[in-house]
Amino acid sequence: SQQGEEDPQALSIQEGENATMNCSYKTSINNLQWYRQNSGRGLVHLILIRSNEREKHSGRLRVTLDTSKKSSSLLITASRAADTASYFCATDVKTSGSRLTFGEGTQLTVNP
Amino acid sequence: SQTIHQWPATLVQPVGSPLSLECTVEGTSNPNLYWYRQAAGRGLQLLFYSVGIGQISSEVPQNLSASRPQDRQFILSSKKLLLSDSGFYLCAWSYARGVFFGSGTQLSVL
Repeated sequence: SQQGEEDPQALSIQEGENATMNCSYKTSINNLQWYRQNSGRGLVHLILIRSNEREKHSGRLRVTLDTSKKSSSLLITASRAADTASYFCATDVKTSGSRLTFGEGTQLTVNP
Repeated sequence: SQTIHQWPATLVQPVGSPLSLECTVEGTSNPNLYWYRQAAGRGLQLLFYSVGIGQISSEVPQNLSASRPQDRQFILSSKKLLLSDSGFYLCAWSYARGVFFGSGTQLSVL
């Protein structure tokens, strides 16, 4: 299966709630990145966390990385309807030469 | 600032027809360039990547080919499209802090 698998596949929450999405991977990485994609649009880079980092923040986003468990989580706090999108994790694998491998994504729906 | 242009936004082609999708990058030199494909509701699959002019690596065997005739130009081609080539194609370039994606081309092969 693909490096970088997100769960859940779909998540529906109410505005104001927090949304947590998880990503697991199989091989050693240089870094892990999270992207957002609105329906039918290109991907937007959200945050990059390096393999020697454990947590990173950007606005309402918090990303954690546990290399021992080969997993990462993306937390969106105080969600808004505009956060509705698909979220993908991507791994930059050590042997890949800057090729990103994407998971299948989590479809987040934030209900107003 | 760096920008990436990808066109067309949508394309409808008959089976067996040729394909040419073009991507250009501005504001950077010698970028790593990528072509990804996304099936409906799925994640991205890396098709090709290039670290320099004329240098193309293919990730999966397929009906498509890629070329990089200039430093900031990346072209995805096919001589004869198949139904299974339908999908959303994204061009991207990378730098130390992440990857920038183009706006994508929705290809429908009928």
